[in-house]
Amino acid sequence: NAGVTQTPKFQVLKTGQSMTLQCAQDMNHNSMYWYRQDPGMGLRLIYYSASEGTTDKGEVPNGYNVSRLNKREFSLRLESAAPSQTSVYFCASSEWGAGRDNEQFFGPGTRLTVL
Amino acid sequence: GDSVTQMEGPVTLSEEAFLTINCTYTATGYPSLFWYVQYPGEGLQLLLKATKADDKGSNKGFEATYRKETTSFHLEKGSAQVSDSAVYFCALSITGFQKLVFGTGTRLLVSP
Repeated sequence: NAGVTQTPKFQVLKTGQSMTLQCAQDMNHNSMYWYRQDPGMGLRLIYYSASEGTTDKGEVPNGYNVSRLNKREFSLRLESAAPSQTSVYFCASSEWGAGRDNEQFFGPGTRLTVL
Repeated sequence: GDSVTQMEGPVTLSEEAFLTINCTYTATGYPSLFWYVQYPGEGLQLLLKATKADDKGSNKGFEATYRKETTSFHLEKGSAQVSDSAVYFCALSITGFQKLVFGTGTRLLVSP
């Protein structure tokens, strides 16, 4: 099993450009998440999807959109990139539900620079 | 709201020294507690977890005990190795709520 995979690994954008970060998991998990990691701030939740067909805002959703394409895939889109979106982006998945502890499994990350 | 507080880093140790990284939490419900580790250039990996008070999570020589009375989940290892150099994140999840709440991370540097 590959676990959680993310593409691309690195990306450089100019201000105003758009791009989509891709994420896929092969663990048959129902829930998926997008985080950003910035120095000194830990991980902040951007969006999450409790199940196929549903998405919800996290702590820092402004400037992003998401699509839960199917149970395996959860993409993050930047419509008009800004330098403040320079960060490392992590996708995660979990089998969340009643009585479960929400252990999350993370991808290797996408390092995005916006000039 | 729910939150996790970790000690400021970096924590610098010599190889074979005792390792401890502090974590305290504030939670309105009954959280599960996690330690994740992030090696340079990689994503987060679960190191250990504990789901109820007095549980001890352990893995790869690391241990942490869920202390409800002190709202703490400190990470310990008897003998640090250079390969333990990484960033460690403490996190909690509340039963019935989907989100993980992370601390800001503690960078650990172990020198030979």
